[in-house]
Amino acid sequence: DQQVKQNSPSLSVQEGRISILNCDYTNSMFDYFLWYKKYPAEGPTFLISISSIKDKNEDGRFTVFLNKSAKHLSLHIVPSQPGDSAVYFCAASGRNDYKLSFGAGTTVTVRA
Amino acid sequence: DAGITQSPRHKVTETGTPVTLRCHQTENHRYMYWYRQDPGHGLRLIHYSYGVKDTDKGEVSDGYSVSRSKTEDFLLTLESATSSQTSVYFCAISERQDTGYGYTFGSGTRLTVV
Repeated sequence: DQQVKQNSPSLSVQEGRISILNCDYTNSMFDYFLWYKKYPAEGPTFLISISSIKDKNEDGRFTVFLNKSAKHLSLHIVPSQPGDSAVYFCAASGRNDYKLSFGAGTTVTVRA
Repeated sequence: DAGITQSPRHKVTETGTPVTLRCHQTENHRYMYWYRQDPGHGLRLIHYSYGVKDTDKGEVSDGYSVSRSKTEDFLLTLESATSSQTSVYFCAISERQDTGYGYTFGSGTRLTVV
């Protein structure tokens, strides 16, 4: 049973606008949450993370928000750029668990 | 990434044949992982290793075995390939047990079982 869920398989956004990607999880023991970005024919690359003691983490154009009570996190990309077109995976793990659980991914397309 | 290499990058094999995929790292990281990526499922863990000769199963380990005889190499073997094992396979490495720091992934192996 998938513990990390990304319910939107795709997202299309105009260049310069905000992209919002959502992720839900079921395991209340998860302590770390990460976003990975993947281009075709390449491996996923780490984008940004957040621990359960925070509710927001920002890195340049990327901000991740965590709502523990709702078991929900989101990734905001502002402003969206053509190079942001990729598949984005949400991932999570517990504090002493060295395994990551991944969502199914959301394909983002940024239109010019 | 420069510190992790997967081979081969592409392979086509016949049903019932054994197949071995190789992951090689130059980072001296302790933790290594094999994932498969399939549409609608994202990345699912097959097996992982937390040291030389120390391995454990992930969520989709049936039909797969692994070996790690050296820190730098982690081999994934499909004992008797089936069409359901057609997928893209990714190896990942991690320096720390604390996965909040994330993994570094290889570029993947696209395996087709015909």
